[in-house]
Amino acid sequence: DAKTTQPNSMESNEEEPVHLPCNHSTISGTDYIHWYRQLPSQGPEYVIHGLTSNVNNRMASLAIAEDRKSSTLILHRATLRDAAVYYCILRVLYETSGSRLTFGEGTQLTVNP
Amino acid sequence: AAGVIQSPRHLIKEKRETATLKCYPIPRHDTVYWYQQGPGQDPQFLISFYEKMQSDKGSIPDRFSAQQFSDYHSELNMSSLELGDSALYFCASSPAGYFRNNEQFFGPGTRLTVL
Repeated sequence: DAKTTQPNSMESNEEEPVHLPCNHSTISGTDYIHWYRQLPSQGPEYVIHGLTSNVNNRMASLAIAEDRKSSTLILHRATLRDAAVYYCILRVLYETSGSRLTFGEGTQLTVNP
Repeated sequence: AAGVIQSPRHLIKEKRETATLKCYPIPRHDTVYWYQQGPGQDPQFLISFYEKMQSDKGSIPDRFSAQQFSDYHSELNMSSLELGDSALYFCASSPAGYFRNNEQFFGPGTRLTVL
């Protein structure tokens, strides 16, 4: 599986934007970029995914570099509830149903009031 | 909206005992996944089932077995428990369909403590 690299930790202030980077220099053409997050004492939660174009949903935006070797998860206005570990995960397009999520060492986001 | 249900939420067992964890996927989800998360660690994939057949297998110990039943719920059976099995066990489900690998929905987890 292609590997992703994220900073161990990041800090933000409440109501400010947060940019969480992810490097995936060995990404293949069939890899989707997924982001999950895990709040304290909860199961992981899907955030967003994309292939080539930037993506927006109600939770966040995903900016994907033109060469796809890196991406950035953008939280537009961080809240205290966004404090979590954020995981950047690559998944092959149209994989067999039931294929795993491989969690690497995500980024612990701290949001200061 | 309905979520993934796991039971029990907490379980305390002695070494060498057995444990059964249950997972009820979101209605109309046909794929179930099991993950283990040790203290201070990231979730690690154990096993998954699609339409009641094993579809992917991770580093699941031979002491563990799992299956998916006709109603799509799944059970993780753990025997000869060891202290190192103490962890959070998450179940996740995903829906059928062409983009079936887009999102996994996780349950709240079962915290297993082995004494």
